[in-house]
Amino acid sequence: AQTVTQSQPEMSVQEAETVTLSCTYDTSENNYYLFWYKQPPSRQMILVIRQEAYKQQNATENRFSVNFQKAAKSFSLKISDSQLGDTAMYFCAFMKLYPWNDMRFGAGTRLTVKP
Amino acid sequence: GAVVSQHPSRVICKSGTSVKIECRSLDFQATTMFWYRQFPKKSLMLMATSNEGSKATYEQGVEKDKFLINHASLTLSTLTVTSAHPEDSSFYICSGTRTSGGDEQFFGPGTRLTVL
Repeated sequence: AQTVTQSQPEMSVQEAETVTLSCTYDTSENNYYLFWYKQPPSRQMILVIRQEAYKQQNATENRFSVNFQKAAKSFSLKISDSQLGDTAMYFCAFMKLYPWNDMRFGAGTRLTVKP
Repeated sequence: GAVVSQHPSRVICKSGTSVKIECRSLDFQATTMFWYRQFPKKSLMLMATSNEGSKATYEQGVEKDKFLINHASLTLSTLTVTSAHPEDSSFYICSGTRTSGGDEQFFGPGTRLTVL
């Protein structure tokens, strides 16, 4: 079974600063996807960024980037130039591909961006 | 694109009654849909995976007779909480993956169930 660990229950960052959220996972699969989701107070899950395990290059999406270390099973999220709207719960998620792509989530990190 | 809706968004019911929650993929066909449960300030826990036209696969510890899942079409899955009790109060979220290329799950906005 796959497990996802987020060791930082809460984090805070000053507006315009950079913050890194950590995530580790455990799996015996070789092909899989990793995601970071944002959940604001509305509770709607919003995809922040995703990484295919077979790709060595780290994914980036504007101010969001990841550091994917497959051998170490580590998948951290870096948020640059933090904005007040980034305040939310952030979940790291692992998705296997077979027989169907069910997803496992970490416990989440509550990020607060301070003005 | 890839929008998932849930209905209702909130429901309050009396203990012992049954509640049905609908999950619809509005602009894509979802071969597979997933149901999650989220307690306050907690993570999403996968309850079951449903494939269109097949019986749902439930996660360990989830009572299949209590949480009935039907996935009758490529755009609709329903979760029925039977004989609901206060401990079933929670936030329920569904998601779906596209028939063509299931590399991402698209999430609904969730349903808050309160059982009195």
